Amino acid sequence: KNQVEQSPQSLIILEGKNCTLQCNYTVSPFSNLRWYKQDTGRGPVSLTIMTFSENTKSNGRYTATLDADTKQSSLHITASQLSDSASYICVVIRNTGGFKTIFGAGTRLFVKA
Amino acid sequence: GAVVSQHPSWVICKSGTSVKIECRSLDFQATTMFWYRQFPKQSLMLMATSNEGSKATYEQGVEKDKFLINHASLTLSTLTVTSAHPEDSSFYICSAPTGGNYGYTFGSGTRLTVV
Repeated sequence: KNQVEQSPQSLIILEGKNCTLQCNYTVSPFSNLRWYKQDTGRGPVSLTIMTFSENTKSNGRYTATLDADTKQSSLHITASQLSDSASYICVVIRNTGGFKTIFGAGTRLFVKA
Repeated sequence: GAVVSQHPSWVICKSGTSVKIECRSLDFQATTMFWYRQFPKQSLMLMATSNEGSKATYEQGVEKDKFLINHASLTLSTLTVTSAHPEDSSFYICSAPTGGNYGYTFGSGTRLTVV
């Protein structure tokens, strides 16, 4: 079982609508959690990075939340645009003397006109 | 911000040949480079970690003789896929830590197709 589970696997929304992507993790000990956007055929680009003590972080129309107690994170996209169509990957960094990166499988978002 | 330049962006090669993929850190020194492979509709899978001046560390199940990694300088890491086979066709991505443990910058990826 993956230590980072993302839902939904895929999502289709209309342009202008909001959406929320979920990430649940069991990774321990936790260092930080990141959300990345990956366009098809491109490398991932960082959206947000949150440490244990941070609950919310925004980057433009992207807002990430983190509940370290329940080990849940969400990425909220406001007023979606066609260019938001991409895979969104939740990544959790584990600190065990060295840092280990654990990737979620991603949520594929399709924004339709 | 930090940039990792990856080349080529795509390559088609014949079975049995070798292909080299380069990742360069453009405005910072990358003592460590991570190499990933990504199959369609799947997430990134870490293949190996290269460290400047020392041998790379490979993940379980990754053949070190097939995927040769060289990290000869603080700004360049290379992955060579030797004796490529069609099953090696995949998307290969590198990333380097930037800003301590808080930042990782990814290359733009290389689409390898072996025919």
